[in-house]
Amino acid sequence: TQLLEQSPQFLSIQEGENLTVYCNSSSVFSSLQWYRQEPGEGPVLLVTVVTGGEVKKLKRLTFQFGDARKDSSLHITAAQPGDTGLYLCAGDKLSSYKLIFGSGTRLLVRP
Amino acid sequence: KAGVTQTPRYLIKTRGQQVTLSCSPISGHRSVSWYQQTPGQGLQFLFEYFSETQRNKGNFPGRFSGRQFSNSRSEMNVSTLELGDSALYLCASSLEGRRLFFGSGTQLSVL
Repeated sequence: TQLLEQSPQFLSIQEGENLTVYCNSSSVFSSLQWYRQEPGEGPVLLVTVVTGGEVKKLKRLTFQFGDARKDSSLHITAAQPGDTGLYLCAGDKLSSYKLIFGSGTRLLVRP
Repeated sequence: KAGVTQTPRYLIKTRGQQVTLSCSPISGHRSVSWYQQTPGQGLQFLFEYFSETQRNKGNFPGRFSGRQFSNSRSEMNVSTLELGDSALYLCASSLEGRRLFFGSGTQLSVL
């Protein structure tokens, strides 16, 4: 059972376009993390959101945690080819010592 | 500061064999987690160790086992390999078990 659903699964866009990736769950998480993974490498942490309604910005990337702490979104403004990769959200429940990963969104930004 | 090191990088085994994968965490990190990544299932949690103690375990059969040594290095073992065990095995280290730093993984192919 996939507790975290990501959409879309695949996204192919032109350089300069904007995009939003969604991460949804019926479960409440103590925090939500976003990772990016490139071929042949492990995931790299981009951001952690902890408070319901929290918005964090990382250059052209904007992350939001839902008010009920069940969902999150990642918005990329003016996408660049360097943004290409697999984007993963991961939920954390207190005292579980494990992350539950979403199914991932594979992004391709064409020059 | 050196990152998480996983060895070997690639491994080819046949059904019925066993395999041991190694992970050296970032210096000072006492938590080590293992994940299995496949195209169909995404990242699935295997287990997490902290100071040589397993704190959490995922829903994998008993053929998957792990351990952590006093220097925080960790190994995972898979016995009686099956074709479905072919995957990228990722190790991640952390100070407290939540903000994860991943290695590049071991790509296991079972023939």
